Amino acid sequence: ELKVEQNPLFLSMQEGKNYTIYCNYSTTSDRLYWYRQDPGKSLESLFVLLSNGAVKQEGRLMASLDTKARLSTLHITAAVHDLSATYFCAGTGTALIFGKGTTLSVSS
Amino acid sequence: GAGVSQTPSNKVTEKGKYVELRCDPISGHTALYWYRQSLGQGPEFLIYFQGTGAADDSGLPNDRFFAVRPEGSVSTLKIQRTERGDSAVYLCASSFGTGQAEAFFGQGTRLTVV
Repeated sequence: ELKVEQNPLFLSMQEGKNYTIYCNYSTTSDRLYWYRQDPGKSLESLFVLLSNGAVKQEGRLMASLDTKARLSTLHITAAVHDLSATYFCAGTGTALIFGKGTTLSVSS
Repeated sequence: GAGVSQTPSNKVTEKGKYVELRCDPISGHTALYWYRQSLGQGPEFLIYFQGTGAADDSGLPNDRFFAVRPEGSVSTLKIQRTERGDSAVYLCASSFGTGQAEAFFGQGTRLTVV
């Protein structure tokens, strides 16, 4: 049974600084997804990582996947307030299995 | 439709009552998923349909929960004898193809059992 763990669960960020969120998963997962959720809203797909070594970037966010280590990271470059949200990673079993999420708060 | 549509957006019900939550997936998406999200938690998998059949219902917490998708499109999640612990946001998602394809989520139904 696939289990997905994220850390940290909460991250208070200063504007302009860099941070990394970690996502570990317990068994083989063919794909790894990152979603964003704003308060009271649904989930927005950010990245789909398909293979070992995959790296995807969108704006200040960059996601990578190491299938051998069963680890994905979401790197935030020069944090800005607009990035404040909860970020989930999800591995693939029969369906997507989510971590508990990392809540990011950016302050100036 | 343009996206996954869920109705109602909010539902308040009394303990012990029966509720139905509806999901209208993206047109052409063969896979449909139900998740439950409690405050401060990640979405918890409930059930996955491929077409009309439930491919995996291992996440349903007990036999009070049931879901159908009779024509392979719209799905209904049914909860009998609701309990206060059932209060959560119920999210529906759909994808094209297998359970490993990218899933697109609806806005959810917030269920409150009083």
